[in-house]
Amino acid sequence: DSGVTQTPKHLITATGQRVTLRCSPRSGDLSVYWYQQSLDQGLQFLIQYYNGEERAKGNILERFSAQQFPDLHSELNLSSLELGDSALYFCASSPRQGPKNIQYFGAGTRLSVL
Amino acid sequence: GDSVTQMEGPVTLSEEAFLTINCTYTATGYPSLFWYVQYPGEGLQLLLKATKADDKGSNKGFEATYRKETTSFHLEKGSVQVSDSAVYFCALVMYSGGGADGLTFGKGTHLIIQP
Repeated sequence: DSGVTQTPKHLITATGQRVTLRCSPRSGDLSVYWYQQSLDQGLQFLIQYYNGEERAKGNILERFSAQQFPDLHSELNLSSLELGDSALYFCASSPRQGPKNIQYFGAGTRLSVL
Repeated sequence: GDSVTQMEGPVTLSEEAFLTINCTYTATGYPSLFWYVQYPGEGLQLLLKATKADDKGSNKGFEATYRKETTSFHLEKGSVQVSDSAVYFCALVMYSGGGADGLTFGKGTHLIIQP
């Protein structure tokens, strides 16, 4: 158990809908990362927050947004969903930044868009 | 941009065989390099890492050496077990200041160990 909690484990929804994925980082970790894993794109970095502030953006679509709250949990919002958004979404957390940093991954949320 | 290339497999080996999974990278500077492992139905776990050239990361019998001259970070294990069956991801991160350190992953290598 990595200590990173993601909810829900599975989510089934329809095209055009909006969903929210939640991540609770390990106790004391200030950084939160979101990744998308799909069969065609592989594992892609989406976005990073550090202590409530956005630090970096990767291949995140404009339809997607995220935030990190004062208690350090994070939410990833996906809107106007398309079939191609079906994927496994991982959250990771880490205590610090820099070369010695290690990211700890949650078990993921599997999103199915029908 | 930065990228990681690794053999995708599946790679099928017999128990106690020697394992090599190749990983090469392209980066504008000197990244830190990682191997992560994903068991069925689980998230990714860090297997080992190396943060500078010639560093060797090791864990659970797995090893990888950061080779700057060949831009490689090949994963090796001398004798694999059935329990090593999983998907292995090579990854890098460039630290460019400002605290941004999202990982860039390879496509993953599915390893199957047969008894």
